[in-house]
Amino acid sequence: AQSVTQLGSHVSVSEGALVLLRCNYSSSVPPYLFWYVQYPNQGLQLLLKYTTGATLVKGINGFEAEFKKSETSFHLTKPSAHMSDAAEYFCAVSVTFYNQGGKLIFGQGTELSVKP
Amino acid sequence: GAGVSQSPSNKVTEKGKDVELRCDPISGHTALYWYRQSLGQGLEFLIYFQGNSAPDKSGLPSDRFSAERTGGSVSTLTIQRTQQEDSAVYLCASSLGDRGSPYNEQFFGPGTRLTVL
Repeated sequence: AQSVTQLGSHVSVSEGALVLLRCNYSSSVPPYLFWYVQYPNQGLQLLLKYTTGATLVKGINGFEAEFKKSETSFHLTKPSAHMSDAAEYFCAVSVTFYNQGGKLIFGQGTELSVKP
Repeated sequence: GAGVSQSPSNKVTEKGKDVELRCDPISGHTALYWYRQSLGQGLEFLIYFQGNSAPDKSGLPSDRFSAERTGGSVSTLTIQRTQQEDSAVYLCASSLGDRGSPYNEQFFGPGTRLTVL
């Protein structure tokens, strides 16, 4: 079975500081990994995804994530936080088994607060 | 362009009533997914459609929940005899690609917030 664990349900950073949101996964097959962001009262928006190839993935709004197979991790980073980054972030793994259509298994989410 | 739309945006109902939630996917997207987001359970998968068929219904929590998709487009999630524990935000997503390829991006709608009194 595939699963995702996000360390820290709440992360608070100062504006301009590094953002680091942690995600570890469990998968018996090569994983497809995603980070989604959810702003208040909105649906989820894709930030970035890892499928194959380059392990450092760049996404929208200056975010990036690195796939590390040896550590089963896919941490999300941004060098300098902006107030507009305040939102909830979800790490997800896509289920690749036949007939399960790539359904997403989500972590519990990390709420990011940005202090002025 | 048009994204995934869901209606209603909010639904308040009384325990024991039936409710229907609607999802309009992005045109041309063959795969459609329903998820539920609640405080206690986080984001959880409910059902996956490829075209009008549902190869994976494993996330439906009970037989009070059902869903259908018609014309390879609109989907309806029906909850019969609603209970207070059904209160949650129900999210719909669609994606392009053959048989819901696991690496295709899923585009999410804004959700329907269901409150069962």
